[in-house]
Amino acid sequence: KQEVTQIPAALSVPEGENLVLNCSFTDSAIYNLQWFRQDPGKGLTSLLLIQSSQREQTSGRLNASLDKSSGRSTLYIAASQPGDSATYLCAVAQAGTDKLIFGTGTRLQVFP
Amino acid sequence: DGGITQSPKYLFRKEGQNVTLSCEQNLNHDAMYWYRQDPGQGLRLIYYSQIVNDFQKGDIAEGYSVSREKKESFPLTVTSAQKNPTAFYLCASSKPGTSGGISTDTQYFGPGTRLTVL
Repeated sequence: KQEVTQIPAALSVPEGENLVLNCSFTDSAIYNLQWFRQDPGKGLTSLLLIQSSQREQTSGRLNASLDKSSGRSTLYIAASQPGDSATYLCAVAQAGTDKLIFGTGTRLQVFP
Repeated sequence: DGGITQSPKYLFRKEGQNVTLSCEQNLNHDAMYWYRQDPGQGLRLIYYSQIVNDFQKGDIAEGYSVSREKKESFPLTVTSAQKNPTAFYLCASSKPGTSGGISTDTQYFGPGTRLTVL
């Protein structure tokens, strides 16, 4: 059974720091991995999607990497800003099913 | 504006009542999904539909029902059989993918409905 784990559960950093969020999964048979952002009491916003054949994706200050063989993905946020404060969730599209399996998220706070 | 909407934003239910949560999308997506989110837990899939008039149970379908009579709409009914319905409910939609039926495109989420049982 696929399990998705995100470490750390919470992170508090000063503005301007570069930071890395981690996501690990137990079954490497995936179609893709996605990173989402969730603001308190809101829905999810897609940030990056990495297909299983890709190694990384970039969007602005965000860079996501995927190492399928080791079951790991990282989300790198450069020059963090207070507006980056949110919960970040990763999810894997499990091969052979019609499901996304979500991690429990990392709650990020960036203080001025 | 293209997007996915959910209503109401907040919903209160008395014990023993059925309630229906609305989800509408104008993105022309074939696939739609319902998730439940509880504090400290990841999203869990309740039901999903890849095409009109067809839907499948997710991981926690007991106590819930859905219909998919129109492409744009995928309402979720929380029945009195759901023992602990207080949660945040999220609806999503996506284009169908090309690998084994699963959507390999990103999912677009609505703003959510917070259901509280009184």
